[in-house]
Amino acid sequence: SAVISQKPSRDICQRGTSLTIQCQVDSQVTMMFWYRQQPGQSLTLIATANQGSEATYESGFVIDKFPISRPNLTFSTLTVSNMSPEDSSIYLCSVVLGQQYFGPGTRLTVT
Amino acid sequence: GIQVEQSPPDLILQEGANSTLRCNFSDSVNNLQWFHQNPWGQLINLFYIPSGTKQNGRLSATTVATERYSLLYISSSQTTDSGVYFCAVEGQAGTALIFGKGTTLSVSS
Repeated sequence: SAVISQKPSRDICQRGTSLTIQCQVDSQVTMMFWYRQQPGQSLTLIATANQGSEATYESGFVIDKFPISRPNLTFSTLTVSNMSPEDSSIYLCSVVLGQQYFGPGTRLTVT
Repeated sequence: GIQVEQSPPDLILQEGANSTLRCNFSDSVNNLQWFHQNPWGQLINLFYIPSGTKQNGRLSATTVATERYSLLYISSSQTTDSGVYFCAVEGQAGTALIFGKGTTLSVSS
């Protein structure tokens, strides 16, 4: 199994600012995934982050808006840039260790 | 890509009732998982079940991979079972999960 922590757990931000979300895993993993869950919706994959290479983004998500870092095998960050109210969501990271495990999420509200 | 459909979208139960949630998927999958998202937003792993049947207390799940569906059974439901239940599939090993839209369960006392 995997234990995943995320920081911050929640935040309220002004539009036009940026927020960096941290994801820490207690095991070394090759791939980490970042998901977004908009209010009342299901989870949508933002990008796949491999250590030592550029993240791979899904259709509709771009690096300028959601830059990702993956400096080692246990840590990753997702930045939500130039935020607007439409970015208000829960952001979750996940890893694969046999099955997939999710962090507790970061609840972001943009005003 | 693989499509995941869950039914019903909403379910209202009295405490003590039983229920069955269904997940259909459009192609063969490497993995299937059921999650419960509690009212605070946390995703809780219920089952890792690419095939076969598993049970954990009042919950059980069955996946029939050849027919591309999975069922989640909740028996003797309790108010703490309320929340959203997601089915998610992994197309190829090591790839991200594709989520269904979820079933919102409300259990009243």
